[in-house]
Amino acid sequence: DVQLTQSPSSLSASVGDSVTITCRASQTFNIYLNWYQQKPGKAPKSLIYAASNLESGVPSRFSGSGSGTLFTLTISSLQPEDFATYYCQQTYSFPYTFGQGTKLELK
Amino acid sequence: EVQLVESGGGLVQPGGSLRLSCAASGFTFSTYWMTWVRQGPGKAMEWVATIKFDGSEKQYKDSVKGRFTISRDNARNSLFLQMNILRTEDTAVFYCARGGAYSDRHDYWGQGTLVTVSS
Repeated sequence: DVQLTQSPSSLSASVGDSVTITCRASQTFNIYLNWYQQKPGKAPKSLIYAASNLESGVPSRFSGSGSGTLFTLTISSLQPEDFATYYCQQTYSFPYTFGQGTKLELK
Repeated sequence: EVQLVESGGGLVQPGGSLRLSCAASGFTFSTYWMTWVRQGPGKAMEWVATIKFDGSEKQYKDSVKGRFTISRDNARNSLFLQMNILRTEDTAVFYCARGGAYSDRHDYWGQGTLVTVSS
């Protein structure tokens, strides 16, 4: 199984900051890495697919990059609505797996 | 507008069964792979099962193989998850999500249905 490890597990930042979340895979795969945002009590929301493709309607301050075993999600100029938990997920091979999540909190 | 609405969750004793349903609307259901994802209390999301658009391929998380069965009824635009021999560790919010083909993402999600396994 492909294990995904996100870092950091939690992160404190201020409105206007830029942050980067990393997702490291236990084995190399192409670019089939997705990012989701989840707010408390809500369903996840798709942000980025295939490593760097922005989902329709998602603000351009969100960006993704990477390939192989290392992927990143960057949020530039944080807005109040961005404070949430972020998950990476691989859909390269079954069983699909998610990272453990990164909680982004307001400093 | 794409909508996914889960139902069927509830409280069940260990060893019991539940059948979850997901009613889909706003898209051509029969052309999409569909997936169940769960999230235990305070835990990360966990992929559970995926079914191909025509039902010809099904994939399961190891810990649910032999206990859970994913199915679909394309005529009724519905996705199902039959859960048997439930364990306390199956307690979670179960989400229905569109997508699940290789390389695909889950672009739409339902609001989730809570399954609690407890005596």
